[in-house]
Amino acid sequence: DAKTTQPTSMDCAEGRAANLPCNHSTISGNEYVYWYRQIHSQGPQYIIHGLKNNETNEMASLIITEDRKSSTLILPHATLRDTAVYYCIVIRLIAGGTSYGKLTFGQGTILTVHP
Amino acid sequence: ETGVTQSPTHLIKTRGQQVTLRCSSQSGHNTVSWYQQALGQGPQFIFQYYREEENGRGNFPPRFSGLQFPNYSSELNVNALELDDSALYLCASSSLKNTEAFFGQGTRLTVV
Repeated sequence: DAKTTQPTSMDCAEGRAANLPCNHSTISGNEYVYWYRQIHSQGPQYIIHGLKNNETNEMASLIITEDRKSSTLILPHATLRDTAVYYCIVIRLIAGGTSYGKLTFGQGTILTVHP
Repeated sequence: ETGVTQSPTHLIKTRGQQVTLRCSSQSGHNTVSWYQQALGQGPQFIFQYYREEENGRGNFPPRFSGLQFPNYSSELNVNALELDDSALYLCASSSLKNTEAFFGQGTRLTVV
């Protein structure tokens, strides 16, 4: 699976959009971009994933560049509860669905949302 | 709430002892993965079980072993505990019907 690079930490004001970048320049055509987050002392939580199109769900939006070498996770209106470590992970999905659980976590980005 | 439960939540063991951690997967999930998370680090993949067979392993020694039961619950066993085994141990369940992994809250293991 492709390696990802993320900034170590970011700050955001409550109510503003949080834009978390991720670089995955060695991504292959059949690899998906996944985002998870981990709030202190809890297990990681799935946020969103995509292949090449932009995606949006109730939690966030994912913008993937046309060349797929980078992406941005957008939390449109950050709250204090969004303070967490955010992980960008690239996964090559294989038949059988077992790859969803084989995740290579990096150091992630520590997002701190300020009042 | 992910539907994945782990037990115990915390425990303390002495170096050289053995420990068994347990994970109850979300209903209908036939795949369970285990991770080790040292303080300040991202989770590291230990191994995965699919339909009761090991299906991939990370860079962990053989003293880390596991089991998956017919009801898809799982155990992680660690023999000959070392101080560096102190970490948060996470399990995650998944299935073909979902496109994500569901994590439990973890077991905090302290080896003294």
